[in-house]
Amino acid sequence: DTEVTQTPKHLVMGMTNKKSLKCEQHMGHRAMYWYKQKAKKPPELMFVYSYEKLSINESVPSRFSPECPNSSLLNLHLHALQPEDSALYLCASSQEGRGYGYTFGSGTRLTVV
Amino acid sequence: GENVEQHPSTLSVQEGDSAVIKCTYSDSASNYFPWYKQELGKRPQLIIDIRSNVGEKKDQRIAVTLNKTAKHFSLHITETQPEDSAVYFCAASIGNDKIIFGKGTRLHILP
Repeated sequence: DTEVTQTPKHLVMGMTNKKSLKCEQHMGHRAMYWYKQKAKKPPELMFVYSYEKLSINESVPSRFSPECPNSSLLNLHLHALQPEDSALYLCASSQEGRGYGYTFGSGTRLTVV
Repeated sequence: GENVEQHPSTLSVQEGDSAVIKCTYSDSASNYFPWYKQELGKRPQLIIDIRSNVGEKKDQRIAVTLNKTAKHFSLHITETQPEDSAVYFCAASIGNDKIIFGKGTRLHILP
């Protein structure tokens, strides 16, 4: 299995809702990442987990809460989002970490209404 | 912190010709330089990468060159084909689990 799987593919949520994005990889990669990508922009790093521990938080608002239950899974819990949070949320993993050789998931397209 | 500049923002190339995309970085400690291709509505995919101990790397029609002194690196695509149309992102990393992306180049292959 050489894939990073993200669910759901599309999500529409209200500003008072709570939802979660899920990411899974079975490649034994030791680092996992959440990125946010707005249209016609590069991916923007949000969080990095290295060996299941949060190693980087790019000053992301607390309405986004990451969780790494085990070495294969990464979640992003969403609460009280704003319409400007609408974007493509990408998960990535890397065998060595240190930014080397990312494999991206296909993303969750989030719309906040 | 690291900053990566990418040029041009848009590039149109006749099918069969070569395309060149250039990036510069600011942090001399950067040691890893990947290139990602993102087709419309799809995920970014790593197409080639280079580490700072190498000056050039080639994979079929794609090559990357690195000039550490000038702090710039370039992507070269030869014999371009319609399926090369996409957005290309360069990136740089100092090896700390964080990579900085350039703003992207939209490549159009003209028939």
